[in-house]
Amino acid sequence: EDQVTQSPEALRLQEGESSSLNCSYTVSGLRGLFWYRQDPGKGPEFLFTLYSAGEEKEKERLKATLTKKESFLHITAPKPEDSATYLCAVQAGDSNYQLIWGAGTKLIIKP
Amino acid sequence: DADVTQTPRNRITKTGKRIMLECSQTKGHDRMYWYRQDPGLGLRLIYYSFDVKDINKGEISDGYSVSRQAQAKFSLSLESAIPNQTALYFCATSDSIAQTQETQYFGPGTRLLVL
Repeated sequence: EDQVTQSPEALRLQEGESSSLNCSYTVSGLRGLFWYRQDPGKGPEFLFTLYSAGEEKEKERLKATLTKKESFLHITAPKPEDSATYLCAVQAGDSNYQLIWGAGTKLIIKP
Repeated sequence: DADVTQTPRNRITKTGKRIMLECSQTKGHDRMYWYRQDPGLGLRLIYYSFDVKDINKGEISDGYSVSRQAQAKFSLSLESAIPNQTALYFCATSDSIAQTQETQYFGPGTRLLVL
């Protein structure tokens, strides 16, 4: 069964304290792995798509990496405005539409 | 203006009532989706539509129906609302001819409470 698991469920960091969020997946062939950011009361906002193991993408303080079993979202020197829930989703190789979503990691950055 | 809009943003209804949630988009995308989000769970797909004449059930379609009135409009109906349909509902769109075709873009959500 295709599955996506995110850890930890919640993460509290001090401003400037770097860390990583994990997204592990089991799917029958990966077509793409997606990271989204969700602020309270808002819809998910697209961040990155990764397609193959070894691929990396960066945006400001965020860097996403991908292996054959998991993806990491690295946050370097975070600021309070980085506080949000980060969602991971995968598209399986035998699907042309459906994304399988993780439950998310709630990140809190304290000033 | 937002690319994907949802109305209403908040709704309180009673068990047994029929309600409709509406979604409009100005992105020109052909694909549209309805999801629900519950605390501690991932987004779950209710229905999806690849074009006006192509509507498909997602993993949790029981108790819901949809209508694709135009390429830009996709509505979700709860025929007879029940309390366990209390959730946050999101509409999303994607572009089938884009290089990253399965990147989905979300509306702001509708918070529904069924009493």
